[in-house]
Amino acid sequence: GENVEQHPSTLSVQEGDSAVIKCTYSDSASNYFPWYKQELGKRPQLIIDIRSNVGEKKDQRIAVTLNKTAKHFSLHITETQPEDSAVYFCAASKQSGYSTLTFGKGTMLLVSP
Amino acid sequence: NAGVTQTPKFQVLKTGQSMTLQCAQDMNHNSMYWYRQDPGMGLRLIYYSASEGTTDKGEVPNGYNVSRLNKREFSLRLESAAPSQTSVYFCATGQPFSGNTIYFGEGSWLTVV
Repeated sequence: GENVEQHPSTLSVQEGDSAVIKCTYSDSASNYFPWYKQELGKRPQLIIDIRSNVGEKKDQRIAVTLNKTAKHFSLHITETQPEDSAVYFCAASKQSGYSTLTFGKGTMLLVSP
Repeated sequence: NAGVTQTPKFQVLKTGQSMTLQCAQDMNHNSMYWYRQDPGMGLRLIYYSASEGTTDKGEVPNGYNVSRLNKREFSLRLESAAPSQTSVYFCATGQPFSGNTIYFGEGSWLTVV
């Protein structure tokens, strides 16, 4: 089955800095890659996703890049703010059959004022 | 439109007791999922139901059973609770195999003593 590795497990930055979280996946057939943000005590919520027919996607201060050859994808957050502090999860899925989402173990991002 | 509703939100069980977590969705999705979340382990799939009338094991199914009651409802049962099942349980619905995200319920915090 699919295996998703996520790094780093914790990341501390100063407000205004950029943050990058990286994930690798094992199944070359995976082609849907969402990112979730989970605030303390809350449910995970989608912040951005990318499909394998594109290499990069942006939404305001967040962007995701995908390298299918190397089987890795990354989340980039620019101009970080304290409210960006949360746990971020990457995930991967195949777009076939009834494939499920496999999640990375999460990155705790702490943005200090 | 409530999305995904889980009950109960909090529960304390004694070892050996049984209980059922209930989940209902009003998003008209065919597929539903149960994940557990433990510190440092990310979100791990327990069971899923690709469509009404079908259920399949995920990564960590031991100690659990599920029932897909109808298109809206998917329950998770612990027959004989163990301390290792202390966790946060999330129900979700969606179709990642179609390149679409999944949506989570608010979570159920379960402690087994």
